Amino acid sequence: QKEVEQNSGPLSVPEGAIASLNCTYSDRGSQSFFWYRQYSGKSPELIMFIYSNGDKEDGRFTAQLNKASQYVSLLIRDSQPSDSATYLCAHTGSGGGADGLTFGKGTHLIIQP
Amino acid sequence: NAGVTQTPKFRILKIGQSMTLQCTQDMNHNYMYWYRQDPGMGLKLIYYSVGAGITDKGEVPNGYNVSRSTTEDFPLRLELAAPSQTSVYFCASSYSGRGLAGANVLTFGAGSRLTVL
Repeated sequence: QKEVEQNSGPLSVPEGAIASLNCTYSDRGSQSFFWYRQYSGKSPELIMFIYSNGDKEDGRFTAQLNKASQYVSLLIRDSQPSDSATYLCAHTGSGGGADGLTFGKGTHLIIQP
Repeated sequence: NAGVTQTPKFRILKIGQSMTLQCTQDMNHNYMYWYRQDPGMGLKLIYYSVGAGITDKGEVPNGYNVSRSTTEDFPLRLELAAPSQTSVYFCASSYSGRGLAGANVLTFGAGSRLTVL
């Protein structure tokens, strides 16, 4: 059974600080990992994906992957009130993704002005 | 490009009624998916399709049916609606279900909020 664990929060971070979101997964065959942002009442939208161990940066966002520890994280630098949302961690299975992504329950992030 | 279009956006059903949620994508994606999302929960896969004429069950298929007669359309049928099917339904598509991560990126529709009373 594929499982993705995220702290549901809420995680409260002051504006301008670094927000750190964490995710662990159980399927050792997982190949690719995704972070989606979901505003209340809206559909998920992709922030970034990562498939190699290490860090991947895109603007204010950095994804970190450690396959040995089955751990993936998302750092948001210079947090803005508009970053307040639920962040969903997801991954493909060992089959490569044909059967879709497995999602965690999400972490509710609140950026305090 | 419209991306992934879902209809209706909202619907209230009575127990035992049936309905179809429509999903259309105009990105020529081969892979299409139906997820449901309950409050405070992640997305659960209902059914998916890897191409026209090919569908398969996901994690929570009971009470639902799908068809894929064209690349663009992937409707989800609810038969004999039950209160447990009250949820938000998301249709999504991707260019490919295999290969590097970029090919697996899911593009979501706006969602269909269904209430069964």
